[in-house]
This record gives sequence, C-alpha cells and structure tokens, in this order.
Amino acid sequence: DVKVTQSSRYLVKRTGEKVFLECVQDMDHENMFWYRQDPGLGLRLIYFSYDVKMKEKGDIPEGYSVSREKKERFSLILESASTNQTSMYLCASSESFPHRGKNTEAFFGQGTRLTVV
Amino acid sequence: AQSVTQLDSHVSVSEGTPVLLRCNYSSSYSPSLFWYVQHPNKGLQLLLKYTSAATLVKGINGFEAEFKKSETSFHLTKPSAHMSDAAEYFCVVTPTLGNQFYFGTGTSLTVIP
Repeated sequence: DVKVTQSSRYLVKRTGEKVFLECVQDMDHENMFWYRQDPGLGLRLIYFSYDVKMKEKGDIPEGYSVSREKKERFSLILESASTNQTSMYLCASSESFPHRGKNTEAFFGQGTRLTVV
Repeated sequence: AQSVTQLDSHVSVSEGTPVLLRCNYSSSYSPSLFWYVQHPNKGLQLLLKYTSAATLVKGINGFEAEFKKSETSFHLTKPSAHMSDAAEYFCVVTPTLGNQFYFGTGTSLTVIP
C-alpha cells in the first residue's frame, strides 16, 4: 500500500514562528501536493511539485514556501506563521503518466492540524 | 478551466435508505474522476475512480458512481446507508493532460439511526 506520512498530527505554534510541515511518500511518485482545508472552503492547493527541485504555485501560495530536495519528501514552510494560517494541512502524492494522458489517484496523508496562537 | 460542483453541501438520510451525492464537472475531453471520503480529523481515502473504462464504477463499502458524459455528471450512490458512512465526501477531477486535481467543496453526509 502507498503510504503518505505527515510528520505531525497536531501542532501548536506562536505567531511569527517559522513552521515546517514534512511529508514523505514511499511509492516513488513524481507528483506531490500541499493543500489546506477549511470549513466551507474545501481543499485549496497551496503548492505542488512534479519533480525534484520543481515547484508550482497553487491557488493560495501567499505566506508559504516549499522544498523538494528528494523525490520522496515535500516540505511546506510557513515563513512567519500567522493566526489566519490555522488550518488542517493535507499532503498528497500521485503518479503521472503523461504518455497516456492519465493521472492515477492522489494518495493522502492523515493531515496536520496546525493552530497558530 | 476545470471545475467541480457538488450540488449539496449537506445530505441527511436514514440508516438503510439509499444515498445519492451529486457531482457535476467541467473539464477537458475524457477526464479522470474520483470520489474520496474523509472521516473526522482524518486524511482522504479513495472510494472509487473513473479513468475511461466502464462508465459504471464500483468502489469500496458498497458505493458506486456513474460517469455520464452528456450530463457532465459523476453522482455517487449507495443502495443502503450505514451509520459508518457518515463523513465528508469529495468529488475530484483531473484533466486529460496535467498533474493537478480539482476538488469540489464537499458534501457532508449524516446518517440518522
């Protein structure tokens, strides 16, 4: 089974702190994603990466950065945490088959519930 | 542009009665479509997927969905609801070419005993 592991289930940080959320997948997937989930807003894409050292902004990248130094690991960084970044953060990975034009499904981690106080 | 519309934000059914969660999409020709379930404080789990094979797709836990291209719909159904089905459900689409997933805003399913 594919496993996507997020380093923390629950996290409490202070305003202004630099926060690292780590995500590791064990199936050699090319694509990795960071989403945040808020009530009534569904899942919103923050950043995604389709290869090592490659990254693309999603819908809400402001206040976040990412790092993908190794294929299996995708880190989300909150440079200076603010209370409006209190949310559930979900990491996902997927394989892609560009020669067939089809994606496989995304596999999700358990989520990190971040509270910024 | 891709988009997914889940027509109901909340659905409430009695245990043992059918479930219908509605999803419409706009996408490129021949998208891939998925339904995910999320239980409280958990990640998303794949229920089923459509990737241009049979239009009626069977998933886990007795769920199924039918891809209707003419209606651009991918509704999720289950003949008989169980208490454990109470959760949030997401309809998701990916275009023919591309690496992104597009999510609906979710439908919260309540099952009444």
